[in-house]
Amino acid sequence: LAKTTQPISMDSYEGQEVNITCSHNNIATNDYITWYQQFPSQGPRFIIQGYKTKVTNEVASLFIPADRKSSTLSLPRVSLSDTAVYYCLVGPRGTGRRALTFGSGTRLQVQP
Amino acid sequence: NAGVTQTPKFRVLKTGQSMTLLCAQDMNHEYMYWYRQDPGMGLRLIHYSVGEGTTAKGEVPDGYNVSRLKKQNFLLGLESAAPSQTSVYFCASTSAGPDGYGYTFGSGTRLTVV
Repeated sequence: LAKTTQPISMDSYEGQEVNITCSHNNIATNDYITWYQQFPSQGPRFIIQGYKTKVTNEVASLFIPADRKSSTLSLPRVSLSDTAVYYCLVGPRGTGRRALTFGSGTRLQVQP
Repeated sequence: NAGVTQTPKFRVLKTGQSMTLLCAQDMNHEYMYWYRQDPGMGLRLIHYSVGEGTTAKGEVPDGYNVSRLKKQNFLLGLESAAPSQTSVYFCASTSAGPDGYGYTFGSGTRLTVV
């Protein structure tokens, strides 16, 4: 399974755009990149998933360069409610999904 | 609402006691998982199951047992609780299909062993 590296923590202010980068140098051809968000005392929840280029949904955007060795989660105009831990996971979908491991994630603190 | 339900939500055990945590999902997911999360830490995989009647060890399986007798349920057992097992336990499930929805997590069980 591809190992991921992401910053331990980040600080931002309300209204700013936040970009969290995840490195995954040994990503496999059939691996997808998935980001999860975890609020205190809650289980992680799915934010976005992508394979290459750019993916956008109502919550975030995911940018993946051509070599796929890294990815960037972009949160536009963050608010206090975006304070959470963000996890980057890399692995296959479908029957290859099996057991993915969560690292320590990136703790995002949004200030007023 | 459809999703993953964990019971109980809170529990205090004395050292040496046993208990079972129940996880139930109604999404017909094939894969189910038990994670533990210690304060300020990420999630660590305890055991997982890729189908009814099958289980496998994760990163930190010692002191825990699991069973998946029905597809929708995944039970985590602590045979003899120890203070080191004080943690928040999360259950998750996901489909074996090619969809991109990832894991669905329960709301967690906060376990304290005294």
